[in-house]
Amino acid sequence: DTGVSQNPRHKITKRGQNVTFRCDPISEHNRLYWYRQTLGQGPEFLTYFQNEAQLEKSRLLSDRFSAERPKGSFSTLEIQRTEQGDSAMYLCASSFQGGSRANEKLFFGSGTQLSVL
Amino acid sequence: RKEVEQDPGPFNVPEGATVAFNCTYSNSASQSFFWYRQDCRKEPKLLMSVYSSGNEDGRFTAQLNRASQYISLLIRDSKLSDSATYLCVVNEGVGSARQLTFGSGTQLTVLP
Repeated sequence: DTGVSQNPRHKITKRGQNVTFRCDPISEHNRLYWYRQTLGQGPEFLTYFQNEAQLEKSRLLSDRFSAERPKGSFSTLEIQRTEQGDSAMYLCASSFQGGSRANEKLFFGSGTQLSVL
Repeated sequence: RKEVEQDPGPFNVPEGATVAFNCTYSNSASQSFFWYRQDCRKEPKLLMSVYSSGNEDGRFTAQLNRASQYISLLIRDSKLSDSATYLCVVNEGVGSARQLTFGSGTQLTVLP
């Protein structure tokens, strides 16, 4: 399977616990994105990496959230001290972009469904 | 006001019908536009890009009206397999912190 891979598919945790998700992008893609999606809404941008550099973060990304992409390949998203409001689908997407971003197309993974009890 | 707005539906149409979805965006500097399709409990997948001149891919036609900041998607001869949520997506341009901005989606159910 050469698509975007996310693990785990589902995560159930208790409020206050820390959780970490992993994303393996398509191998030749240099950009990696994290989005969050709740029921009935479209995906909301959280953060993005160009290679190993985290270039932008949304205001949605509180200080309890941290993302890394240490070698410019896979990425992890950690949520500390989880809250019930963090329950959502966390989607990772990747793209290859060598020049203009005007026609950037994202390829999404299947997501990690987080439930905070 | 949301940056990208769509009629949430649901649209329930019989097989073979023609159905149209509309989307408006608020940022006049937006540079590129897409329709993504999302099946229930699945990830979004790119359906088609939207070009200024309008473009067609089989039964699907997308149009862009920059003056009105309006995008549309027309599906002709709808199939049962077209049942999904259709997400309008806007790239707000270089340097935007929001990258691709998604609408909330329009749900389509094609009935036999």
